[in-house]
Amino acid sequence: NAGVTQTPKFQVLKTGQSMTLQCAQDMNHNSMYWYRQDPGMGLRLIYYSASEGTTDKGEVPNGYNVSRLNKREFSLRLESAAPSQTSVYFCASWGRSYNEQFFGPGTRLTVL
Amino acid sequence: TQLLEQSPQFLSIQEGENLTVYCNSSSVFSSLQWYRQEPGEGPVLLVTVVTGGEVKKLKRLTFQFGDARKDSSLHITAAQPGDTGLYLCARRANDYKLSFGAGTTVTVRA
Repeated sequence: NAGVTQTPKFQVLKTGQSMTLQCAQDMNHNSMYWYRQDPGMGLRLIYYSASEGTTDKGEVPNGYNVSRLNKREFSLRLESAAPSQTSVYFCASWGRSYNEQFFGPGTRLTVL
Repeated sequence: TQLLEQSPQFLSIQEGENLTVYCNSSSVFSSLQWYRQEPGEGPVLLVTVVTGGEVKKLKRLTFQFGDARKDSSLHITAAQPGDTGLYLCARRANDYKLSFGAGTTVTVRA
């Protein structure tokens, strides 16, 4: 099992460009999450999907959109990137009984 | 505003020393999780505590949950360089969303 995978690992964008961050899990988990991590602020929830077919806003959703493509895949889209979106982005899914969240290795995004 | 306050923000110690990091909240939480994150990787769960006063041990790591379920601590005995990382506490809400503290960066020097 690969667990939670994310692509790309690194990305540099110019202000105004768009891109999609991909996430996939092979553990048959129902719920999936997107976080951003900034220095001194821990992880903040952007969007989540409690189950296939549903998505909801988290703490910091502005400037982002998500798509739960199927049970395995949950993508995060930046329509018009801004320097404030420079961050490390993590995708995660809950294990059985919501005992443990499994995280991907992260995508380091820089917006110039 | 951080729901969970972690202290200290940074900690640098020599190999073999002990350390304690803290996680505090003004509100009661039903369960608390501790994660460790190594550079360039995602967080990995260390432990979940759910009962006030609970103490859990994981080799050289000891986790305590306060009696009032508003605070928790992580104590590492005889720290090793492999313990270096970012330690995060997280509160699991009833809707299963996690709220994280800002974390404590621990550096153990050989």
